[in-house]
Amino acid sequence: GAGVSQSPRYKVAKRGQDVALRCDPISGHVSLFWYQQALGQGPEFLTYFQNEAQLDKSGLPSDRFFAERPEGSVSTLKIQRTQQEDSAVYLCASSAADSKGYTFGSGTRLTVV
Amino acid sequence: LAKTTQPISMDSYEGQEVNITCSHNNIATNDYITWYQQFPSQGPRFIIQGYKTKVTNEVASLFIPADRKSSTLSLPRVSLSDTAVYYCLVALINDYKLSFGAGTTVTVRA
Repeated sequence: GAGVSQSPRYKVAKRGQDVALRCDPISGHVSLFWYQQALGQGPEFLTYFQNEAQLDKSGLPSDRFFAERPEGSVSTLKIQRTQQEDSAVYLCASSAADSKGYTFGSGTRLTVV
Repeated sequence: LAKTTQPISMDSYEGQEVNITCSHNNIATNDYITWYQQFPSQGPRFIIQGYKTKVTNEVASLFIPADRKSSTLSLPRVSLSDTAVYYCLVALINDYKLSFGAGTTVTVRA
């Protein structure tokens, strides 16, 4: 597609519920990233994939967060047993090997109530 | 990652030039300076990247003095649609872990 697509755009979850957030990167982009953006803050790194390999997950805040990219294209960020502090915008970005900068999606706004 | 400091907010009017200065005193020899723009309800968008002197594209100019301890993003003749948060990042060219900070909120008024 022309850009990075994320779904859903908005998600309201009850505390304790599991959620799955989807990212469709730009076709052919090898690298994929997930970032978390709290209200009024800049995005913060969560995890990085190169093709299907998760090369860095150092930014995942707890073991309730899990990301996968099984076929090297679409990625899913899963959050188990959601807590109120998980409320944020989750951004996905992708990049080609030879490009400057990343292309971000519009994000999924997660609200845990 | 080198720490960056930029103003929290700036106000301007349509048609004016906006200059946002970012301080990065601890920039390393191989670090590049990159600026992103973020509109409400959207992800950040790459604007411009440079290493030294001046870089210009269709959106903005980036001025980097010889000591590279600061940089200035220049937006010529802003319009209402340039209202956004602007982030200054300093990192190696192939560093995938971007550090955004809080950015500068630029508000353009009619």
